[in-house]
Amino acid sequence: DIQMTQSPSSLSASVGDRVSITCRASQSISNHLNWYQQKPGKAPILLIFAAGSLQTGVPSRFSGSGSGTSFTLTISSLQPEDYASYYCQQGYRTPYTFGPGTKLEIK
Amino acid sequence: QVHLVQSGAEVKKPGSSVKVSCKSSGGTFMNYEITWVRQAPGQGLEWMGRIIPILHTADYAQKFQGRLTITTDKSTSTAYMELSSLRSEDTAVYYCARNGDIAAAGLWGQGTLVTVSS
Repeated sequence: DIQMTQSPSSLSASVGDRVSITCRASQSISNHLNWYQQKPGKAPILLIFAAGSLQTGVPSRFSGSGSGTSFTLTISSLQPEDYASYYCQQGYRTPYTFGPGTKLEIK
Repeated sequence: QVHLVQSGAEVKKPGSSVKVSCKSSGGTFMNYEITWVRQAPGQGLEWMGRIIPILHTADYAQKFQGRLTITTDKSTSTAYMELSSLRSEDTAVYYCARNGDIAAAGLWGQGTLVTVSS
């Protein structure tokens, strides 16, 4: 199975900050990497697919980059509604494993 | 607008089975891969398996092999996830999701809480 790691596991930041979350795969997955946001008690929401493509309806302050084994999710200017958990997921080969998540908290 | 609507919460005894449904309203059900993901209390997302309805093929995470069955019913645009030999560690919210390219799950059900307790 392809293992996914994320860093940091938690992050405190202020409204307006620029924030980046890193995701790494245990082997090359090309650009087959998706990012999700999840708020407590809610289903995840797809933010970014194929490493860098913004899902329809997602604000442009979210962006994704990377290929191979290393990927980054960036929020250019944090908004109050962005405080949530974020997960990466590889879509290269089943099982489509998720990273362990990054919890973004208010500073 | 397409929605995925899941069945309601379940409480099960250890050793029993649970079957959760996921009904698609609108859209072309058979053309999309359906994935099942679970989340134990306070934990992250765990991919369980997927089915490609038009091909009637499913595959499962090794962890669930032999205990998990994912099926679809074309006539009702419904997917099902059945997990057997339940144990307390299976207590979780179970989600279905519809995948686009690169397994990107752009549409999710609301989740179904399954509690396994004696």
